[in-house]
Amino acid sequence: GAVVSQHPSWVICKSGTSVKIECRSLDFQATTMFWYRQFPKQSLMLMATSNEGSKATYEQGVEKDKFLINHASLTLSTLTVTIAHPEDSSFYICSARDFRRGDEQYFGPGTRLTVT
Amino acid sequence: QKEVEQDPGPLSVPEGAIVSLNCTYSNSAFQYFMWYRQYSRKGPELLMYTYSSGNKEDGRFTAQVDKSSKYISLFIRDSQPSDSATYLCAMSDEEDTGFQKLVFGTGTRLLVSP
Repeated sequence: GAVVSQHPSWVICKSGTSVKIECRSLDFQATTMFWYRQFPKQSLMLMATSNEGSKATYEQGVEKDKFLINHASLTLSTLTVTIAHPEDSSFYICSARDFRRGDEQYFGPGTRLTVT
Repeated sequence: QKEVEQDPGPLSVPEGAIVSLNCTYSNSAFQYFMWYRQYSRKGPELLMYTYSSGNKEDGRFTAQVDKSSKYISLFIRDSQPSDSATYLCAMSDEEDTGFQKLVFGTGTRLLVSP
């Protein structure tokens, strides 16, 4: 149990376009979802936290107008990178948690974004 | 200085060896310490977590925390090829009772050869 999927696993987009990444909890309800970003040879960095039905809380330095997060249901959260630039190229990974099951975050496999 | 430092490896060992994976950190407020294992093309999965200082054992895995040195370790006994993965340490502070703000190390890639 506690499986989290992400789609797509890899995406290439042109500079100036927007790209949406989906995160789904497959066998549990995610009361909270987290979005992380990992640049090469760096650690996973928390970008934002979202609770179902509420606006996301962004970490310092993360532009909320650029990284749009929607957590409209208990099984789906989306991250939209708007007007993407090459410096947004990174590995984006989500995690999900059901507070009724405890504090553990269950991670998705990640999405590799390349902006050309 | 990064909050959490972890040698990226790769660390190559023969099957059956004892593996020691380590992280150092700078924030003395960290109280919760976790180890995640990440296989290729998969998300990290929680292996173990400890609170404050001390040791915790789970099968072949032992997590050790030395808060005075700001140093944590994960030991793997009788390592198996199936242990080959990237191991990430993560931490959060006393205030973060829901483990919502995890600070990760970069991960150490472990290769166990048969």
